[in-house]
Amino acid sequence: EDQVTQSPEALRLQEGESSSLNCSYTVSGLRGLFWYRQDPGKGPEFLFTLYSAGEEKEKERLKATLTKKESFLHITAPKPEDSATYLCAVRPGGYQKVTFGTGTKLQVIP
Amino acid sequence: EAQVTQNPRYLITVTGKKLTVTCSQNMNHEYMSWYRQDPGLGLRQIYYSMNVEVTDKGDVPEGYKVSRKEKRNFPLILESPSPNQTSLYFCASSLIPGEKLFFGSGTQLSVL
Repeated sequence: EDQVTQSPEALRLQEGESSSLNCSYTVSGLRGLFWYRQDPGKGPEFLFTLYSAGEEKEKERLKATLTKKESFLHITAPKPEDSATYLCAVRPGGYQKVTFGTGTKLQVIP
Repeated sequence: EAQVTQNPRYLITVTGKKLTVTCSQNMNHEYMSWYRQDPGLGLRQIYYSMNVEVTDKGDVPEGYKVSRKEKRNFPLILESPSPNQTSLYFCASSLIPGEKLFFGSGTQLSVL
């Protein structure tokens, strides 16, 4: 059974204080790993897709990396507008189902 | 503007009263899916559809039905809702199955 575990559940940072969010996964033949951002009362918004170990993607203050067992979302010098819940999801090879983690709720304090 | 539209945004109903939540996308995506989001459990997939008339169960399909008669629409049907189906529901679509999903704004359902 595919599993996605995200840590920590919640993270509080001072503005400018860099940190990383973790996504550990167990999946039969990873087809893709995805990061989404979800603001309160809204649907998740796509951020990144990673396909193979060693791959990295960047967008503004966010950088996602992938190993064979986990992915990290690095947040450099965060701003209050980066406050949101960050979701990780995986798609196994040969299947069209997607399994999500429970998310990390990030709060960035000015 | 590319979007996934869900209706209604909020719905309060009673046990056993059939309801339908509509979902429509304007991006000509073949893949569409439904999720429910519950505190501590995250997003769980209910059903997905690869194309018109092609649907399959996700991880939590019990108590739900779907249909895909047109490419743009993918309604979620609860024929006899129960209180344990109280949840926040999201519809999503994508060009590549399960990848880079576009989500609707959600439907908050309360079954009394």
